[in-house]
Amino acid sequence: GAVVSQHPSWVICKSGTSVKIECRSLDFQATTMFWYRQFPKQSLMLMATSNEGSKATYEQGVEKDKFLINHASLTLSTLTVTSAHPEDSSFYICSASSPGLAADTQYFGPGTRLTVL
Amino acid sequence: GEDVEQSLFLSVREGDSSVINCTYTDSSSTYLYWYKQEPGAGLQLLTYIFSNMDMKQDQRLTVLLNKKDKHLSLRIADTQTGDSAIYFCAESPPDDSWGKLQFGAGTQVVVTP
Repeated sequence: GAVVSQHPSWVICKSGTSVKIECRSLDFQATTMFWYRQFPKQSLMLMATSNEGSKATYEQGVEKDKFLINHASLTLSTLTVTSAHPEDSSFYICSASSPGLAADTQYFGPGTRLTVL
Repeated sequence: GEDVEQSLFLSVREGDSSVINCTYTDSSSTYLYWYKQEPGAGLQLLTYIFSNMDMKQDQRLTVLLNKKDKHLSLRIADTQTGDSAIYFCAESPPDDSWGKLQFGAGTQVVVTP
């Protein structure tokens, strides 16, 4: 199947700093990438959908000024958590897809564990 | 809460079959998916089924779809310890924007020797 990578796999930062997470589709071009957040023992919560070259669409309740998403190319999307606080600590997962893929499948990255001190 | 519902926990002995059940909400969903998540990792696509199919088999995995009851199941034959993980079912409601998935809460499967 298609491969999606995320970097970093884990990050610890101080409260008030910004953190950037990269999501890359390694062997296919992803017109659409999705960003999820997952709390322990819970399902994935969709934060936003990003289409290459256009602004991201955020889900209700997700602050777009706090979670900046950029999808500048067909293989890279970034999520920047600005002025991070301890409540932003979570597991962030991206996925990538394209209309040409079988069953409109989303392929997921391995996730990034963010801990804000 | 999630609109897609799954039982939260399943314990199974190694070598037995596992059956994970899911009920979904939108009868017009085009595809239904099963994903596997191991601790600290992302989601791995296991299989999917097109909505006009009743069954799909892929090696040890069998997916059954009952559209009338909006019920989806995943059967894992000859369950191994490496199958211990959280399993998520997901649907792709056509009314939502392209590609959006609705996930269930996940079923934690524990395989005991």
